[in-house]
Amino acid sequence: GENVEQHPSTLSVQEGDSAVIKCTYSDSASNYFPWYKQELGKRPQLIIDIRSNVGEKKDQRIAVTLNKTAKHFSLHITETQPEDSAVYFCAASRGTYKYIFGTGTRLKVLA
Amino acid sequence: NAGVTQTPKFQVLKTGQSMTLQCAQDMNHEYMSWYRQDPGMGLRLIHYSVGAGITDQGEVPNGYNVSRSTTEDFPLRLLSAAPSQTSVYFCASTRSSGTDTQYFGPGTRLTVL
Repeated sequence: GENVEQHPSTLSVQEGDSAVIKCTYSDSASNYFPWYKQELGKRPQLIIDIRSNVGEKKDQRIAVTLNKTAKHFSLHITETQPEDSAVYFCAASRGTYKYIFGTGTRLKVLA
Repeated sequence: NAGVTQTPKFQVLKTGQSMTLQCAQDMNHEYMSWYRQDPGMGLRLIHYSVGAGITDQGEVPNGYNVSRSTTEDFPLRLLSAAPSQTSVYFCASTRSSGTDTQYFGPGTRLTVL
């Protein structure tokens, strides 16, 4: 069935360093790839998304890249800050209402 | 706008009990979904709805029922609770397509003893 693999499961970086989280999807018909941030005890919130007709998208310190041929996409956070500490989830969708989520990456930014 | 709301925030059930988790949105979104979140497993889709009167199954539908009689409300029913249903449940809504932003409710933490 459809699957999204996410790595790493945990990631620790020093404040100011960059963090990269990678996801691989199995359904070649997927065309929408959102990323969510979930703080402890809170709901997931969309931080950035990318559609299949775009290779890269940036929003301040956050960027997402998409390689459709290899079926993988990545989240890049630059100049990390303690408030970036959270669990990050990737997801893939065919543009329908069925999103397949990755298993999450716990990011810890060390001050 | 309140966005997506869920009640209750916490619930403890005994095995075999039934209950309904409530979800409502005031954004006039067509699409609503229920997910469960378990440690190390991300979010898994239980059921979803593309409009009033239309529902369909997701990845893990067994043991759960849904209905959508209005655009605003999408309740999730546990027919006979089991310990395997201990989880955090999130409701979500999307305006009109699978590439619109999905908004999540605050979640319900359910424990089944």
